[in-house]
Amino acid sequence: SQTIHQWPATLVQPVGSPLSLECTVEGTSNPNLYWYRQAAGRGLQLLFYSVGIGQISSEVPQNLSASRPQDRQFILSSKKLLLSDSGFYLCAWSGSRFNEQFFGPGTRLTVL
Amino acid sequence: GENVEQHPSTLSVQEGDSAVIKCTYSDSASNYFPWYKQELGKGPQLIIDIRSNVGEKKDQRIAVTLNKTAKHFSLHITETQPEDSAVYFCAASHSNTGKLIFGQGTTLQVKP
Repeated sequence: SQTIHQWPATLVQPVGSPLSLECTVEGTSNPNLYWYRQAAGRGLQLLFYSVGIGQISSEVPQNLSASRPQDRQFILSSKKLLLSDSGFYLCAWSGSRFNEQFFGPGTRLTVL
Repeated sequence: GENVEQHPSTLSVQEGDSAVIKCTYSDSASNYFPWYKQELGKGPQLIIDIRSNVGEKKDQRIAVTLNKTAKHFSLHITETQPEDSAVYFCAASHSNTGKLIFGQGTTLQVKP
């Protein structure tokens, strides 16, 4: 069966520091991968999605970037964090032919 | 682009009663409509979905209905239990893109 992992689970970072969040998927190949951000009490906002290695589409202009160095690895990064980057970051995957998206456990990021 | 509106934002019911959450979407080309349940501090879990070639789908105590003409779909939970308490999200997407657009969420509280 397929599983999706995210780490770290929680992170507290000062403003201006760099960020690297990692997401990996097991049990499938060539998945579509997604990064979402969820602000407190709000819905999910799609940040990036990837249909293959090195292929990244950005949905909103922002302080963040994404990379996909391997087929089942998706990384969310920032060079300098802002207070507004705080939130719950969720990674998701879907099969290449279907729309069902399955979410990871999330990373709670607090920028102070 | 697609826009999804979800109502109500909060819903409180007595255990054993039914709960209904409604969503409307704007893009008539959308053809996939999932529902997610999110418990506190966890990633969203896919609980049921429906495609535009189907009007209704049921899985035990939960069901989803779709009205393509009116561009709205609903989640129905019967015989609610305290463990149904969570935030529920609807979403819509088109199979060409695979990108999900989420509603703002409904906080469901089931009182014992």
